[in-house]
Amino acid sequence: ELKVEQNPLFLSMQEGKNYTIYCNYSTTSDRLYWYRQDPGKSLESLFVLLSNGAVKQEGRLMASLDTKARLSTLHITAAVHDLSATYFCAAELNYGGSQGNLIFGKGTKLSVKP
Amino acid sequence: DAGVTQSPTHLIKTRGQQVTLRCSPKSGHDTVSWYQQALGQGPQFIFQYYEEEERQRGNFPDRFSGHQFPNYSSELNVNALLLGDSALYLCASSLVFRGRGYTFGSGTRLTVV
Repeated sequence: ELKVEQNPLFLSMQEGKNYTIYCNYSTTSDRLYWYRQDPGKSLESLFVLLSNGAVKQEGRLMASLDTKARLSTLHITAAVHDLSATYFCAAELNYGGSQGNLIFGKGTKLSVKP
Repeated sequence: DAGVTQSPTHLIKTRGQQVTLRCSPKSGHDTVSWYQQALGQGPQFIFQYYEEEERQRGNFPDRFSGHQFPNYSSELNVNALLLGDSALYLCASSLVFRGRGYTFGSGTRLTVV
């Protein structure tokens, strides 16, 4: 059974600081997703990581994937208030080589304070 | 290019009633998945439809059922509503033969009283 664990679950940061959110998954999954969710809103896709060693960056966010360690990280550089949201990672459960379904972590609620 | 459209946006139902939620996938997508997100939790997979058939199912009771129509749109039905069914229901569309990820709709907030 594929399980996804995120930590920390809550993160309070000061503006300008750096921090990393960790996402561990329990069994083989070759596709890892990061989403952002604002309160009461849907999921906004941030990154799709498809292979071991993949690294993607968008603005102050950078995501990486280590399939051997079954670990993905979301690194936040020089945080700003606009990044305050809940961040989810999700691993895709393979389904015979075609589109599987997503197993989500519990989310990391990020609060960036001045 | 329209994204994923869900209706209604909010719904209040009484315990024991039945509810139908609707989803129109992103143009060009052929697969629709439904997720339940309880307050403060990550989304949980309910089921996935492709070619008008349920293709995969998560750990949800038979009270949860669905349908996909020839135009790829989908419905989620929940019978005999329980208080615990109160949640945000998200629809995600995709292409079955992978590679392009998922597009999520804005969700339907269901409150059972």
